[in-house]
Amino acid sequence: KAGVTQTPRYLIKTRGQQVTLSCSPISGHRSVSWYQQTPGQGLQFLFEYFSETQRNKGNFPGRFSGRQFSNSRSEMNVSTLELGDSALYLCASSLEPTGLGNYGYTFGSGTRLTVV
Amino acid sequence: AQSVAQPEDQVNVAEGNPLTVKCTYSVSGNPYLFWYVQYPNRGLQFLLKYITGDNLVKGSYGFEAEFNKSQTSFHLKKPSALVSDSALYFCAVNQAGTALIFGKGTTLSVSS
Repeated sequence: KAGVTQTPRYLIKTRGQQVTLSCSPISGHRSVSWYQQTPGQGLQFLFEYFSETQRNKGNFPGRFSGRQFSNSRSEMNVSTLELGDSALYLCASSLEPTGLGNYGYTFGSGTRLTVV
Repeated sequence: AQSVAQPEDQVNVAEGNPLTVKCTYSVSGNPYLFWYVQYPNRGLQFLLKYITGDNLVKGSYGFEAEFNKSQTSFHLKKPSALVSDSALYFCAVNQAGTALIFGKGTTLSVSS
């Protein structure tokens, strides 16, 4: 079956712009989580959605937001981009909340965002 | 608050030798513990998890991990390393209802 699909794979934006990233989970998975990965900070949790409800939120400013649709697809939005937002953004899906299913989270390949 | 530490940035082993990648955690209650692996330009792949039960957990690709409650550790092990095991390994922890928090990662390099 198809894996977790993230679009676009690469993105270059200018400081001050906004961006929307998309994630399509594995069919049947209702939990979607987002992580920011940078060389300095590693993997940092952004937010988690389960059945369209935000269950957990990480320690990021309000410029970072997300949502989940009824078909479990999820989007995250970053407004007023800063240089420090340059990172690999990873989406992960699972059957159970917080990746507690038998196979844990399945991650997408990520969206590489570069802010210039 | 929960946290996880991977004390080694890099682990180097020769092919055929046993490998250990260390992980310690801090949670207020019972932990759920995970190991994931990341290959270059790819997302993370699930290796194994500990929820409850047997302290020795077996996972994918011949990896296993031992849960030690008294030492709050969950070290990843493999009896015989392969060059193809070279990758970035992440330990992660959560509890029921909380977000999965990852360590900084350990780069495993296996030489032939």
